[in-house]
Amino acid sequence: EVQLVQSGAEVKKPGESLKISCKGSGYSFTTYWIGWVRQMPGKGLEWMGIIYPGDSDTRYSPSFQGQVTISADKSISTAYLQWSSLKASDTAMYYCARRSRGYCSSTSCHLDYWGQGTLVTVSS
Amino acid sequence: EIVLTQSPGTLSLSPGERATLSCRASQSVSSNYLAWYQQKPGQAPRLLIYGASSRATGIPDSFSGSGSGTDFTLTISRLEPEDFAVYYCQQYGSSPVTFGQGTKLEIK
Repeated sequence: EVQLVQSGAEVKKPGESLKISCKGSGYSFTTYWIGWVRQMPGKGLEWMGIIYPGDSDTRYSPSFQGQVTISADKSISTAYLQWSSLKASDTAMYYCARRSRGYCSSTSCHLDYWGQGTLVTVSS
Repeated sequence: EIVLTQSPGTLSLSPGERATLSCRASQSVSSNYLAWYQQKPGQAPRLLIYGASSRATGIPDSFSGSGSGTDFTLTISRLEPEDFAVYYCQQYGSSPVTFGQGTKLEIK
């Protein structure tokens, strides 16, 4: 069974750093891209970026380039999303999701499995 | 980037009725690389439809997708109580991937 299990909720202060995780199981972790999606409170889904754990090739949405860092450790089948200096506006639910290998474009694909989400709250 | 506009913002229907949700793109979505997701409160999104019209694994045939180019539709033929949720479209034909703002399907 394919599973993506994310780390638990975090409460941080502005200016602090944070790294959240997404552990994949039940499939070949190194051969599927893993994407990150933000959902601010009461709002819709926003594409942040994606990583290929096999070689750590990473692509960012222009809106998030330079704001976050996506990484992966293939030895433990885990992808990460990190911030060096959080802002209150980073308060959101963050989802990781596996990019399918089905009917896909040359640059992206639909997301067939999702993690349960990690709630990040940034408040002074 | 391609902007996806979903309509209506909220759709109020009763169980047993038919639901029609729209997703319009600001420019043509290449090769119909469009997906639909369902999100219930407190849950992660779930893939329903990909390639504009292909149902994902385990999705009942009451859900169907159609459309091409800039106009896409998700139809739920006969609403069950568990179908009331928020629905999002996503295009993945052009970078960056973009999502629509969502349509909330609520019980009338």
